[in-house]
Amino acid sequence: EVQLVQSEAEVKEPGESLKISCKGSGYVFANYWVGWVRQMPGKGLEWMGIIYPGDSDTRYSPSFQGRVTISADQSIGTAYLQWSSLKTSDTAMYYCARHPSGYDLTWFDSWGQGTLVIVSS
Amino acid sequence: EIVLTQSPGTLSLSPGERATLSCRASQSVNNYLAWYQQKPGQAPRLLIYSASARATGVPDRFSGSGSGTDFTLIISRLEPEDFAVYYCQLYGGSPKTFGQGTKVDIK
Repeated sequence: EVQLVQSEAEVKEPGESLKISCKGSGYVFANYWVGWVRQMPGKGLEWMGIIYPGDSDTRYSPSFQGRVTISADQSIGTAYLQWSSLKTSDTAMYYCARHPSGYDLTWFDSWGQGTLVIVSS
Repeated sequence: EIVLTQSPGTLSLSPGERATLSCRASQSVNNYLAWYQQKPGQAPRLLIYSASARATGVPDRFSGSGSGTDFTLIISRLEPEDFAVYYCQLYGGSPKTFGQGTKVDIK
């Protein structure tokens, strides 16, 4: 069974750095694109970007390029989303999700449970 | 960047009724379109991919259609567990934009 398990909720102050994680199991992690989706409180889904863990090829939404970094460590089956300097506007639920193949022109077929990030002074 | 517009914003219906949700793209996306369901406090769940293919385990009361710029998700007879928010997503390029969502609530 494919599973994506995300790290626990985080409470941070503006200006702090943060790295959240998404561990895949039940499949060969390196061979499937994994992406990140933001959902701000009471709002819709926003596609942030994706990574192919096998070679770390990464695609970002223009809205998030330069604001976050997506990475992966295929040796431990984990993808990451990180910020170097958080803003209060980064407060949101963040989901990781997997593509069903090594082809990036596909949908998300499995989702993590979400990581709530709260940024407040 | 292609924009997806979903309508209506909210659909108020009773159990047993038919729900018709629309997703319109600002330019052709061929059939690179998926639909997701999200219930409160839960992660989204894939319903439909390639505009009309049902994902594994999705009941056949859910059907998708369309190509090019106009797409439709139909729930033939609403069950109590179907009241949720539905999102369309294009995935034929980058960014893989989501629509703003349609909430199906109980009338």
